[in-house]
Amino acid sequence: QVQLVESGGGLVKPGGSLRLSCAASGFSFSDYYMSWIRQAPGQGLEWVSYISTSGNTIHYADSVKGRFTISRDNAKNSVYLQMNSLRAEDTAVYYCARAPHAFDIWGQGTMVTVSS
Amino acid sequence: EIVLTQSPGTLSLSPGERATLSCRASQSVSSSYLAWYQQKPGQAPRLLIYGASSRATGIPDRFSGSGSGTDFTLTISRLEPEDFAVYYCQQYGSSPPGFGPGTKVDIK
Repeated sequence: QVQLVESGGGLVKPGGSLRLSCAASGFSFSDYYMSWIRQAPGQGLEWVSYISTSGNTIHYADSVKGRFTISRDNAKNSVYLQMNSLRAEDTAVYYCARAPHAFDIWGQGTMVTVSS
Repeated sequence: EIVLTQSPGTLSLSPGERATLSCRASQSVSSSYLAWYQQKPGQAPRLLIYGASSRATGIPDRFSGSGSGTDFTLTISRLEPEDFAVYYCQQYGSSPPGFGPGTKVDIK
């Protein structure tokens, strides 16, 4: 079935780095834009980044620009989020989502906690 | 950047009642690229409506979306017990594709 599975979350100190992965299955991954969206504890949804089918078009939220890098490997059906210079305010559940128009398929999320 | 506001913040209703949720945009949403999502505690959001009024795959017809320009509405015709959740609107017509703050529908 159509599925997205995130991994790579965990506890990291302020200023540290983490790389999230999202593995897709059940659909033609290379045909879809992909996004990362996050949700801080008890808060709403915040779009983080998206990447086009080929990886040529990439956008970031202002809150992560210059610190986070999105990438994809169509041969591995995976999208990634490299997160550097992490701050306490980056603490959130990070979801990857498929984006043919709106975000129609979501993963279960991976928790990132930034704390000393 | 388009900013979305949702009202009310919380809607307290009983099963079987009609729910009307509002989403207002600070600028016109291009081509009605407006979506609605449902999120239950501990779960990922689920797409309900895209293109302002098109139901996503598998979504019951008691959910309907309407509106254009800057004003959009999600209507749940008769609330079922599983519909009590938080609902978010989102625009994807321009970057950044932002979300509204959410409306919580809880049991009265």
